[in-house]
Amino acid sequence: DGGITQSPKYLFRKEGQNVTLSCEQNLNHDAMYWYRQDPGQGLRLIYYSQIVNDFQKGDIAEGYSVSREKKESFPLTVTSAQKNPTAFYLCASKFQAGGSYEQYFGPGTRLTVT
Amino acid sequence: QKEVEQDPGPLSVPEGAIVSLNCTYSNSAFQYFMWYRQYSRKGPELLMYTYSSGNKEDGRFTAQVDKSSKYISLFIRDSQPSDSATYLCAMSTLIQGAQKLVFGQGTRLTINP
Repeated sequence: DGGITQSPKYLFRKEGQNVTLSCEQNLNHDAMYWYRQDPGQGLRLIYYSQIVNDFQKGDIAEGYSVSREKKESFPLTVTSAQKNPTAFYLCASKFQAGGSYEQYFGPGTRLTVT
Repeated sequence: QKEVEQDPGPLSVPEGAIVSLNCTYSNSAFQYFMWYRQYSRKGPELLMYTYSSGNKEDGRFTAQVDKSSKYISLFIRDSQPSDSATYLCAMSTLIQGAQKLVFGQGTRLTINP
């Protein structure tokens, strides 16, 4: 089956700890994205990557870091510098960064930091 | 002012009703307009994708775009309990060659049997 997988589905961490969220796709898509979803605020873009070894900050990149060492993988690290890390995190991918191609979303990871 | 405004609801209607969901936007550079459906604790899935002003129909769903008024709508005919979900409008523009989506807040819809 082709698609996007995110793991784990639920993640709990103590305040002050860094945590890495996994995102893998086997769709052979060039572009990958990370969004954060909070109640009543829709999805907000954290980081995106158009090609391997390249990524750009989105609207709310502070306190987050990413890497894109392989085409199929785009892990997101939530660092202790992120003031309000508890949220639902969604990864997406797209055939090419430009153009009118659909963004496909993964099932999400719900992160709770206490 | 947010770039995309969407009434968060919640909206509750009886089965079989016609549902109208709406978004307004302020950025005239938006080129593509989308509606996503998101079930609870799941990732969004694309429902409708339109480029220009006008209507696009797919089964019970109709997407409408009015660029002159910066207003988009999604109509659901003969609504079913399985349509109960959060509906997100999204609009895209290009930033340095990459598509960037801007989402509305989402409208939570419940269809009552």
